Amino acid sequence: QPQLYESGPGLVKPSETLSLTCTVSNGSISSRSYYWGWIRQPPGKGLEWIGSMYNGGSPHYNPPLKSRVTISTDTSKNQFSLSLNSVTAADTAVYYCARLVALRGGNWVDPWGQGILVTVSS
Amino acid sequence: DIVMTQSPDSLAVSLGGRATLNCKSSQNVFYNSNNKNYLAWYQQKPGQPPKLLIYWASTRESGVPDRFSGSGSGTDFTLTISSLQTEDVAVYYCQQYFSTPLTFGGGTKVEIK
Repeated sequence: QPQLYESGPGLVKPSETLSLTCTVSNGSISSRSYYWGWIRQPPGKGLEWIGSMYNGGSPHYNPPLKSRVTISTDTSKNQFSLSLNSVTAADTAVYYCARLVALRGGNWVDPWGQGILVTVSS
Repeated sequence: DIVMTQSPDSLAVSLGGRATLNCKSSQNVFYNSNNKNYLAWYQQKPGQPPKLLIYWASTRESGVPDRFSGSGSGTDFTLTISSLQTEDVAVYYCQQYFSTPLTFGGGTKVEIK
């Protein structure tokens, strides 16, 4: 089972860009059997899929966020990244990176990273 | 988008008792060509990320105790904890992966009575 670890700033100013990186160990992001993605959870609330992609493929994004989100991979570092621009307080959340199983068109999430709290505040 | 609705919002069950959690999708998540329901269940304990319990609506993930079982088809699904243990106190989420955007239910919080 791979391990995923999120890194990046825990505080971002409004209107700026949130940038996070997920480092994967004990597994290759080059595998076509898996997607790699981001899911967030505002404090005390539920889960929201942000987007996901498999290495070399086109990313899929949640429509409400699509105009502000970029997910990309770096196979040389076995990492993938999230960029979310023009952030507001509504983007304050725990951000999880995750592996999504790609089987028969299915995309369940396993495993999840530990999560990183990103607060948007001036 | 497929909207996932979970009920109840919270549930208090005696130790050793049965917990029944419901999840309803706004559209059918059963794929006829492979006879699969595109639904997963997760458990989230306080301060931890969610953990996969069940996929294909009823297939238990390796290592998940057999007191957890999933059932249902089409638009109505159930997660049952047959004999609630203290370590099962958590919030449980369902997720559909029939179509993007992937969507989650709002969660059911399970507590000990």
